[in-house]
Amino acid sequence: IAGITQAPTSQILAAGRRMTLRCTQDMRHNAMYWYRQDLGLGLRLIHYSNTAGTTGKGEVPDGYSVSRANTDDFPLTLASAVPSQTSVYFCASSETGQNEQFFGPGTRLTVL
Amino acid sequence: GQNIDQPTEMTATEGAIVQINCTYQTSGFNGLFWYQQHAGEAPTFLSYNVLDGLEEKGRFSSFLSRSKGYSYLLLKELQMKDSASYLCAVRNGDYQLIWGAGTKLIIKP
Repeated sequence: IAGITQAPTSQILAAGRRMTLRCTQDMRHNAMYWYRQDLGLGLRLIHYSNTAGTTGKGEVPDGYSVSRANTDDFPLTLASAVPSQTSVYFCASSETGQNEQFFGPGTRLTVL
Repeated sequence: GQNIDQPTEMTATEGAIVQINCTYQTSGFNGLFWYQQHAGEAPTFLSYNVLDGLEEKGRFSSFLSRSKGYSYLLLKELQMKDSASYLCAVRNGDYQLIWGAGTKLIIKP
């Protein structure tokens, strides 16, 4: 692994289903982030983690949850997907909360 | 509220120079970032300004005026591969990163 990986690359999901988007980094960065990117809008922060064991809510956290059991992994879970959660999801990490962020390749999620 | 304003789209000619502006209104300021994002790909870091003035990095330069809430990204000697979206992001007083919607730059031969 080099940098940040996300899985799956894309997914079509029925409304009401549960889904976990995976994110793994091998840079030993302390901070990790989940964003969604929708056409015409800027990146919007869903949840973040400044260090393993801690998480925080971003701008649009409703309907999503995260965990940070270790430094490398930061999964994002949609408990019961809705069509408005159709988006491209990016995971990012930074050495600390004050450095530039490095982004994973993204997951394109469609909820029908 | 907090907002970042950038033009939605710009067009420029290969070999020319283009300036992409970003104005911001945030609760506090702790730095401004520029990222490049090619279609279907992830954003990648270009530059960071925290003090007023110009930061030069090869063909790309970024300028900041904190008193005016203004930044620009200057791209010189444009190449076709520079066709991408350019995202401006400001870290506010709470160290939250606020993102603009991005400027789509189209390069014509």
